[in-house]
Amino acid sequence: DIQMTQSPSTLSASVGDRVTITCRASQSISSWLAWYQQKPGKAPKLLIYDASSLESGVPSRFSGSGSGTEFTLTISSLQPDDFATYYCQQYNSYRTFGQGTKVEIK
Amino acid sequence: EVQLVESGGGLVKPGGSLRLSCAASGFTFSSYSMNWVRQAPGKGLEWVSSISSSSSYIYYADSVKGRFTISRDNAKNSLYLQMNSLRAEDTAVYYCARDKGVVVYDYWGQGTLVTVSS
Repeated sequence: DIQMTQSPSTLSASVGDRVTITCRASQSISSWLAWYQQKPGKAPKLLIYDASSLESGVPSRFSGSGSGTEFTLTISSLQPDDFATYYCQQYNSYRTFGQGTKVEIK
Repeated sequence: EVQLVESGGGLVKPGGSLRLSCAASGFTFSSYSMNWVRQAPGKGLEWVSSISSSSSYIYYADSVKGRFTISRDNAKNSLYLQMNSLRAEDTAVYYCARDKGVVVYDYWGQGTLVTVSS
């Protein structure tokens, strides 16, 4: 089974900060990686797929990069609406989610 | 507008059964693979099961294989999850989610809570 490890688990940041979250796969997954945002009590929201493709309607301050085993989600300028938990998901072999990264207010 | 509405959650004793439903609207249901994803209280997301548009391909996570059965009725625009031999560790919010076409989930329901407890 492919394991997905996100870092950090929690990130404290301020509005306007550039934020980077890392997701590492236990084996190569090519570019078969997605990123989701989840707010408390709500369903996840798809942000990025195929490692770097922005889902329709998602603000351009979100971007994804990487291939193989290391991937990053970057928020170029953190907005108040962005405080949430972020999950990566691989779909190279079945589907596995990372454990999540909570972005909280500093 | 795409809508996915889950129902059927509740409190069940260990070893019991429950059937979840997901009513879909706002898109051509029969053209999309569908999925169940769960989230235990305070925990992360866990993919549970997937079914292709015509039910030809079905997949399960190892944690539920042999106990859960996914199905769909394209005439009724509905997705189902039959859950048998439930365990405490199956306690979670269960979401149905539409497959965008590249095995990622672009629309999700609001979730239904399943609690397995004596």
